[in-house]
Amino acid sequence: QSALTQPASVSGSPGQPITISCTGTSSDVGNFNLVSWYQQHPGRAPKLIISEVTKRSSGVSHRFSGSKSGNTASLTISGLQADDEADYYCCSYVGGRTFVVFGGGTQLTVI
Amino acid sequence: EVQLVESGGGLAQPGRSLRLSCVASGFNFDDHAMHWVRQAPGKGLEWVSGISWTGGQTGYVNSVRGRFTISRDNSKNALYLQMNSLTTEDTALYYCARDIFRSVTTVDYWGQGTLVTVSS
Repeated sequence: QSALTQPASVSGSPGQPITISCTGTSSDVGNFNLVSWYQQHPGRAPKLIISEVTKRSSGVSHRFSGSKSGNTASLTISGLQADDEADYYCCSYVGGRTFVVFGGGTQLTVI
Repeated sequence: EVQLVESGGGLAQPGRSLRLSCVASGFNFDDHAMHWVRQAPGKGLEWVSGISWTGGQTGYVNSVRGRFTISRDNSKNALYLQMNSLTTEDTALYYCARDIFRSVTTVDYWGQGTLVTVSS
């Protein structure tokens, strides 16, 4: 099972929107509505921000939203803030003998 | 408050074994599947293993299958990872994590991790 494909880095200015893509296959992202997104600040444990493609975790800002089309899931952050600068990882259920796979991660820089 | 506290990490020589433990509190442990996820220094997250709420279903990433064994003791609110035949590629921070559901699908809460270093 290969890792999901994410851009290595994205950047944006405060107040602007950005989108991070997560590309899988018809065996993972395309086959299950079990895509999740995590935010990880340096030196900290990851934090769940989106589950089941679109569900925001409790306490997560409405600026974060998730979507999926075919084999590609996306995380959109509207109105970038300085504290959004972090690494973001997507994850999908894949079933079989390897249940879960992560993307390679995307480093978000707020310019 | 959900708490996951890992222990058992440390320095091991290639070919040796380590056993990681995770003690959970703040939720009904036996209502949730559990995971081990690792992160090599400066690298991304890698799912390692997961176990369903009863322990009846387990899964592994290909690189550890046959070497690592995940287990749980619901009477002790504990999760374990027995790691045998360690290689330098297993060096990483190992996170214990909870699933939203009883089946292995989606990690929600994470511990702070325990560091495993494999080196001669």
